[in-house]
Amino acid sequence: GDSVTQMEGPVTLSEEAFLTINCTYTATGYPSLFWYVQYPGEGLQLLLKATKADDKGSNKGFEATYRKETTSFHLEKGSVQVSDSAVYFCALKVYNQGGKLIFGQGTELSVKP
Amino acid sequence: GAVVSQHPSRVICKSGTSVKIECRSLDFQATTMFWYRQFPKQSLMLMATSNEGSKATYEQGVEKDKFLINHASLTLSTLTVTSAHPEDSSFYICSARDQDSYNSPLHFGNGTRLTVT
Repeated sequence: GDSVTQMEGPVTLSEEAFLTINCTYTATGYPSLFWYVQYPGEGLQLLLKATKADDKGSNKGFEATYRKETTSFHLEKGSVQVSDSAVYFCALKVYNQGGKLIFGQGTELSVKP
Repeated sequence: GAVVSQHPSRVICKSGTSVKIECRSLDFQATTMFWYRQFPKQSLMLMATSNEGSKATYEQGVEKDKFLINHASLTLSTLTVTSAHPEDSSFYICSARDQDSYNSPLHFGNGTRLTVT
């Protein structure tokens, strides 16, 4: 079945460091891919998305490119801030099932000043 | 932007009682809503897909008689945890998509922290 695998956390970085969180997927058909962010005690917020191969999603300095050949959607940011500390979830939208999302296990990011 | 309101945000109940969690789409209509469960430091596990006017579709391993879902209108879905036990303690999150736009993203509620004592 469809699934998403993320790199394990927690990831601890210093402020202004470069961030990469790896995400790979297996899916039937051509899924849309998403990154969601969850701040402590809150629900999920959409960070960015890509709907087809080679699309790049970007928001708030974060970027991810939909790579069909490697079935990946790695999240990157050039310079992280303390306020970026959160849990990041990679997800795919299952083809033809009304918008159902399958999530990766989440990666906790902690940014130190 | 689209808002999904979930209520209550926290609830503590005694073992054996039932708890109802509401999920409302505030400024859009949602034919379909999704209920997720999240364990500490773990991912979101899809429990069921809630369809307005029809029965919910449950994921494998989720007890439909324990987790009752009702989607009576295009803006409201409810999850009732019946005869709750301590192992039901978890963070429950609902999500919904604007029915008029298939490619619109899912919007999530802020979740409900359920503690069963």
